[in-house]
Amino acid sequence: QQQVKQSPQSLIVQKGGISIINCAYENTAFDYFPWYQQFPGKGPALLIAIRPDVSEKKEGRFTISFNKSAKQFSLHIMDSQPGDSATYFCAPGFQKLVFGTGTRLLVSP
Amino acid sequence: DAGVIQSPRHEVTEMGQEVTLRCKPISGHDYLFWYRQTMMRGLELLIYFNNNVPIDDSGMPEDRFSAKMPNASFSTLKIQPSEPRDSAVYFCASSPSRASGISQYFGPGTRLLVL
Repeated sequence: QQQVKQSPQSLIVQKGGISIINCAYENTAFDYFPWYQQFPGKGPALLIAIRPDVSEKKEGRFTISFNKSAKQFSLHIMDSQPGDSATYFCAPGFQKLVFGTGTRLLVSP
Repeated sequence: DAGVIQSPRHEVTEMGQEVTLRCKPISGHDYLFWYRQTMMRGLELLIYFNNNVPIDDSGMPEDRFSAKMPNASFSTLKIQPSEPRDSAVYFCASSPSRASGISQYFGPGTRLLVL
């Protein structure tokens, strides 16, 4: 079973606020947990990723929190900016990624 | 580097016609992936290659779809005959060797419309 559930489907956040997107997976064989960002008309681009041996990874305003026992990981965007408005996908796996259904984020000015 | 290159960027065709999508991966990348994105089904992996060899084609929807990678710098995804339900955005992605993890680099996509 490789089901991946992502929530929420859409999110509206005020500029400067915190955006939080969650991802739940079932396959315990997954060993790499990335988040991808996609702008309209573009291909997805790797944003940030984490391995299961750490619980948190931070890169600038973006943080991944990983809960191995709960089989969940989340993306936190601090100080959200209008330029962060995009669709975000979790995609656990390794070479073979299983993409979540996506979260459309809108950061209002 | 120019990144992953896909052509054409847009394709409009009529049902029953053959469609060929093309991809040039990033030089030096060992893995190549073909994805399809639709509103209904999201982003689906169709097939992927390692060193030009197909590794997993379990996502290919049916026999009308075929993919080839004759060399390290070129791959094609062919649909014959095409149907309206094939309308989607098709992405090609490439990544370096397995040891470097999963940094897949996506191309800009081909938007296919089958009338």
